[in-house]
Amino acid sequence: KAGVTQTPRYLIKTRGQQVTLSCSPISGHRSVSWYQQTPGQGLQFLFEYFSETQRNKGNFPGRFSGRQFSNSRSEMNVSTLELGDSALYLCASSSGFAEGTQYFGPGTRLLVL
Amino acid sequence: AQSVTQLGSHVSVSEGALVLLRCNYSSSVPPYLFWYVQYPNQGLQLLLKYTSAATLVKGINGFEAEFKKSETSFHLTKPSAHMSDAAEYFCAVSGPETSGSRLTFGEGTQLTVNP
Repeated sequence: KAGVTQTPRYLIKTRGQQVTLSCSPISGHRSVSWYQQTPGQGLQFLFEYFSETQRNKGNFPGRFSGRQFSNSRSEMNVSTLELGDSALYLCASSSGFAEGTQYFGPGTRLLVL
Repeated sequence: AQSVTQLGSHVSVSEGALVLLRCNYSSSVPPYLFWYVQYPNQGLQLLLKYTSAATLVKGINGFEAEFKKSETSFHLTKPSAHMSDAAEYFCAVSGPETSGSRLTFGEGTQLTVNP
């Protein structure tokens, strides 16, 4: 079974721009979650999508948004980028149950200049 | 709200020595608990998970963890460290207080293995 894929792997943007990251989950998984990882804040939950609906949302500003398509692929968008948005963005797919294992992709490293 | 605390942001052991990484959780009901490992420039890989079956959970690469409800702990151990174990380790919790698959992570523990 193919794992979770994320594109692109690396991105450099400037302040004020917007960015879209993509995640393809493991085949058959209906849940996709997004996390932000930074040295200062650690791993923080952004949001979860299940069957094209946002089911959970973390404590991030509205500049962070996402969506999920009918094939379970997900995108997250960050508008009006700030320097503090520089981070590793990780996507995880799972069956959608709390006890289910979340399988992580390799991440997209975003650098905002 | 559920939370996880990992005691010790850095742990250093000698090759062949016991590895002990500590994790305590806060939850009003027993949650689901996970240990993940992250190697440099990679995503997270699941080591093991507790989902209310056996309290002693065996994972990959010789790691195991014991769920102790009385101590609200889920410490990760490995009898003999190998150089390839050097990485960052994260303890995480999910459900049943929160719906869905949301994971709450600890701060992480960087494990160094000395030759």
